[in-house]
Amino acid sequence: GAVVSQHPSWVICKSGTSVKIECRSLDFQATTMFWYRQFPKQSLMLMATSNEGSKATYEQGVEKDKFLINHASLTLSTLTVTSAHPEDSSFYICSARDQSGGSYEQYFGPGTRLTVT
Amino acid sequence: AQSVTQLDSHVSVSEGTPVLLRCNYSSSYSPSLFWYVQHPNKGLQLLLKYTSAATLVKGINGFEAEFKKSETSFHLTKPSAHMSDAAEYFCVVSVEYSSYKLIFGSGTRLLVRP
Repeated sequence: GAVVSQHPSWVICKSGTSVKIECRSLDFQATTMFWYRQFPKQSLMLMATSNEGSKATYEQGVEKDKFLINHASLTLSTLTVTSAHPEDSSFYICSARDQSGGSYEQYFGPGTRLTVT
Repeated sequence: AQSVTQLDSHVSVSEGTPVLLRCNYSSSYSPSLFWYVQHPNKGLQLLLKYTSAATLVKGINGFEAEFKKSETSFHLTKPSAHMSDAAEYFCVVSVEYSSYKLIFGSGTRLLVRP
């Protein structure tokens, strides 16, 4: 089955530093990937839609200069949290859309837990 | 705009009894609807999906859901709960004409008592 990986699975960084999270589709190509944020015991909130070879589309209220998204290839999208602050601590989840066969099904990565101290 | 409302934040059942997790949707067109499960420290897993075919959808692990347009509902059921079913469940709607992005409900935590 389709597998999406994320790296790292957890990261601790100091306030003011930047952190990059990778999302990879391992056995399919994904022209579209999505980034979500999940606070403890809450639902997933869509942050942005990542399109291969073009700029990401951000949801209302998400700072594009703070959360930089790069989708440089059909199997890799990265989310960089710039100048991280404690309020950026959260669980970040990506998903990738498998367009083969016309199913358009999304597959989710295991998530990355970010803690900013 | 599309949205989903999960009517219960917590549901507690005894092992072996039926499970009902309620979800209502709002959409201006015929939506695609999903149920995902999230176990602690694990990724999201698709339980089942409705995409305008049969209104009764069967998923994995004995779960099923029925799409009822007249009631704008997509409730998730299972005849007999197992301890391993304890998890967070999300009802999700797909936004068509917008890269098929997903809108998540607030989630329902299912507790299974022995």
